[in-house]
Amino acid sequence: DADVTQTPRNRITKTGKRIMLECSQTKGHDRMYWYRQDPGLGLRLIYYSFDVKDINKGEISDGYSVSRQAQAKFSLSLESAIPNQTALYFCATSERQNSRPKADTQYFGPGTRLTVL
Amino acid sequence: AQSVAQPEDQVNVAEGNPLTVKCTYSVSGNPYLFWYVQYPNRGLQFLLKYITGDNLVKGSYGFEAEFNKSQTSFHLKKPSALVSDSALYFCAVRDMRDSNYQLIWGAGTKLIIKP
Repeated sequence: DADVTQTPRNRITKTGKRIMLECSQTKGHDRMYWYRQDPGLGLRLIYYSFDVKDINKGEISDGYSVSRQAQAKFSLSLESAIPNQTALYFCATSERQNSRPKADTQYFGPGTRLTVL
Repeated sequence: AQSVAQPEDQVNVAEGNPLTVKCTYSVSGNPYLFWYVQYPNRGLQFLLKYITGDNLVKGSYGFEAEFNKSQTSFHLKKPSALVSDSALYFCAVRDMRDSNYQLIWGAGTKLIIKP
């Protein structure tokens, strides 16, 4: 979805390096998410943010941190990258549902393929 | 605990034949159910969702899914497969009572449509 962009698209780095993945959206959505995808494991939630001042840990937040710089921007950092963080990373957004049912659809960026050597 | 199972890693179908991609779920309360598709080198795209009401949900690209509460299933179907349907398909569920709105994802099913 062109409304959600991620940079870089591909990154190769070395163990111990600090890496930042960036996500921007023009959809005007309040909610943003970071997932990682590993073969055979589906998507696992790393962090999510319901607005600029709201950051929440997901299922696998250890080794990661995030920053919600603005409604449209949500960055994921690996403070000291390790090989098992090699994965495909996706950013997603969704719109707050003010009325029931609260089943917001998530919209995904194209992904960042990260390789940690 | 909430969970989603996609029992088939891969499904092979001949072009023109009907296709089914299976999904079963487990939640404490009532479910919201979603199907997404991922084409090579692309992000996930929303196909359809079940919230409430009619058990048969119609979505994008001619896909539909049937919610079966007694079998806790939400299988994705299409009457006539196209080669362009070849992709990775993900089922996801959210418990209606989950105030964090987190989706639980299946591992994905690779759909291969052969000409």
